[in-house]
Amino acid sequence: DGGITQSPKYLFRKEGQNVTLSCEQNLNHDAMYWYRQDPGQGLRLIYYSQIVNDFQKGDIAEGYSVSREKKESFPLTVTSAQKNPTAFYLCASSIYPLAGDSYEQYFGPGTRLTVT
Amino acid sequence: AQSVSQHNHHVILSEAASLELGCNYSYGGTVNLFWYVQYPGQHLQLLLKYFSGDPLVKGIKGFEAEFIKSKFSFNLRKPSVQWSDTAEYFCAVNVSYNTDKLIFGTGTRLQVFP
Repeated sequence: DGGITQSPKYLFRKEGQNVTLSCEQNLNHDAMYWYRQDPGQGLRLIYYSQIVNDFQKGDIAEGYSVSREKKESFPLTVTSAQKNPTAFYLCASSIYPLAGDSYEQYFGPGTRLTVT
Repeated sequence: AQSVSQHNHHVILSEAASLELGCNYSYGGTVNLFWYVQYPGQHLQLLLKYFSGDPLVKGIKGFEAEFIKSKFSFNLRKPSVQWSDTAEYFCAVNVSYNTDKLIFGTGTRLQVFP
């Protein structure tokens, strides 16, 4: 069964702690993305990666970090510098969008992070 | 900066009613347009997409959308909704010179009552 897995589904952390969210895909997609979803604000792009060992900041990268050591995996670390980390985090992947082309993104089930 | 507006934040309908959800974007060049749906407890999934060609696009589950370039709009329609259409609907856009970035609207929550 091809798809994107995110674990865990719910995550609780104390303020001041870093936390890493997992995202794995077996779709053989080159590009992977992290979004944050807040009520009434839609999805906002945090980071994205088009190929292994390369990634770019999205619109709200401050307080987050990523790595892309393997094609299948794109973990997101929410650092203590992120001022408002409680949110629903969605990972997505797509075929690498060549210039002028576009492909839909496929989404994982999400991780709901609560920081207290 | 490009943006996407969904003016209907919460829509409540009875089964068999017709649905139209608005989506407007702010970019004058070539765009690719998407509607995604998030059913309660499920993954965000693609309903339909427009890249080029016929501006009337048909998607899954009886949904369709019409791209009107002059109005910068991509409204989603369904002639007769069902209780199972209860979900959150997101319009999204990317622009031809930067297809990496998908810009989402704030979403419309649809509730359908039997």
